[in-house]
Amino acid sequence: EVQLVESGGGLVQPGGSLRLSCAASGFTFSSYEMNWVRQAPGKGLEWVSYISSSGSTMYYADSVKGRFTISRDNAKNSLYLQMNSLRAEDTAVYYCARWLQFWGQGTLVTVSS
Amino acid sequence: AIRMTQSPSSLSASTGDRVTITCRASQGISSYLAWYQQKPGKAPKLLIYAASTLQRGVPSRFSGSGSGTDFTLTISCLQSEDFATYYCQQYYSYPRSFGQGTKLEIK
Repeated sequence: EVQLVESGGGLVQPGGSLRLSCAASGFTFSSYEMNWVRQAPGKGLEWVSYISSSGSTMYYADSVKGRFTISRDNAKNSLYLQMNSLRAEDTAVYYCARWLQFWGQGTLVTVSS
Repeated sequence: AIRMTQSPSSLSASTGDRVTITCRASQGISSYLAWYQQKPGKAPKLLIYAASTLQRGVPSRFSGSGSGTDFTLTISCLQSEDFATYYCQQYYSYPRSFGQGTKLEIK
C-alpha cells in the first residue's frame, strides 16, 4: 500500500525557516517524480514544487522561487521541502504527492508573529 | 503558465440530481486533465484522469469529457457522499495548475 506521511509543519515567525519531510513507503520511491502542493485555509489547491525521480530536475511556482528548495533522499525514501524567508501568505497545509493518485495527509504550516 | 478556470464556483443541488462542472484551460492541454474530489480536512481524491478515464474504485456515476481547452465533469445521480469540493488540474506542463474549485452543496 502506497503511503506518504508528511511532517515538520508548525508555527514559525515571518522571515523564519522550516523544513518539511515526506516519508514514502509501499512503492519504489526512486522510480517516481514527486511534488509538493499546498492549500491555504479555506482556499484552493496550489502546486508548489516538482522533483524528478533522480533529483536532477526541479521546478518551482513563481510564488516560492528563490525561497523554497525541494530535495529527496532516495536511500531514505524521503522527500523534503526547505522553506526560507517565510511569509504570512505561505500559511497552508502542505501535501506531498505522487501524481496523480497518491497524496499524503498534509502538514500545517502557520507563519505568524 | 496555463490558467485553469472552473465554473461554477459553487453549486446547490439535491440528491438524485445530475450536475455538470466545467473547466477551461487558457491554452490547449490535449487530454492531460484530472478531476479531484476533496472533503474538509482530507487530501484530494483522484476521480478522473486523461480527461475521461475513471480512476479504479470511483463510482460510474462520475464521468469526464473534453479535450484541448474545454472539459466537463458530470455526476449523473448525486449521492449524499458526493457533496464536496471538486478541482480540475492540468498535467500537460509545469507549472502544474488547478482550477479554483467548485463547492457542491446540498440544496
